[in-house]
Amino acid sequence: DAKTTQPNSMESNEEEPVHLPCNHSTISGTDYIHWYRQLPSQGPEYVIHGLTSNVNNRMASLAIAEDRKSSTLILHRATLRDAAVYYCILRDPLLYNTDKLIFGTGTRLQVFP
Amino acid sequence: EAGVAQSPRYKIIEKRQSVAFWCNPISGHATLYWYQQILGQGPKLLIQFQNNGVVDDSQLPKDRFSAERLKGVDSTLKIQPAKLEDSAVYLCASSLVSGGDFTDTQYFGPGTRLTVL
Repeated sequence: DAKTTQPNSMESNEEEPVHLPCNHSTISGTDYIHWYRQLPSQGPEYVIHGLTSNVNNRMASLAIAEDRKSSTLILHRATLRDAAVYYCILRDPLLYNTDKLIFGTGTRLQVFP
Repeated sequence: EAGVAQSPRYKIIEKRQSVAFWCNPISGHATLYWYQQILGQGPKLLIQFQNNGVVDDSQLPKDRFSAERLKGVDSTLKIQPAKLEDSAVYLCASSLVSGGDFTDTQYFGPGTRLTVL
């Protein structure tokens, strides 16, 4: 299984941008980079995913390094509701029927008013 | 759209007792997952169903854990007998896996928090 490395915790102030890094030096050519987050006392929820190009959606942006060995989840304006554990996960879509989400310990983001 | 439903939300039992959790996935989702999340760790897959069939149960402690998916919809996860180390949050998720769906987003329920005393 491809591995990802994330910082254990990060802090931000409300209304400021947050950049959550993820290293995945052993990523294969067919692995997509997925991000999920888990709010307190809730199940994880999908945030965003990408392959090579940077991606944007209503929740966040995903910046992927040119060599794909790292990526950064960007929250443009953090709110208190963004306080959560963020997980960076690699998945090969050719293996969706048998592959599984492998969660590490993620990055715990604290947002201060 | 209704999300993944789980019950109960909380359960406290003594060791060696049995317990069952119920999950109702999002309508039309073929794939259903059960995860175990121990405090301070990320979720770990216990079992994955595709419709009625088991796709992956390699991480399921089969001597005490069992799971079934009735008619490809609802699912139950049972622990019998429970041990102290089974204290965790049990999460159910579902996804709509189809050919060419490169997202395969998994939708999670709120989980059941189990405490074994």
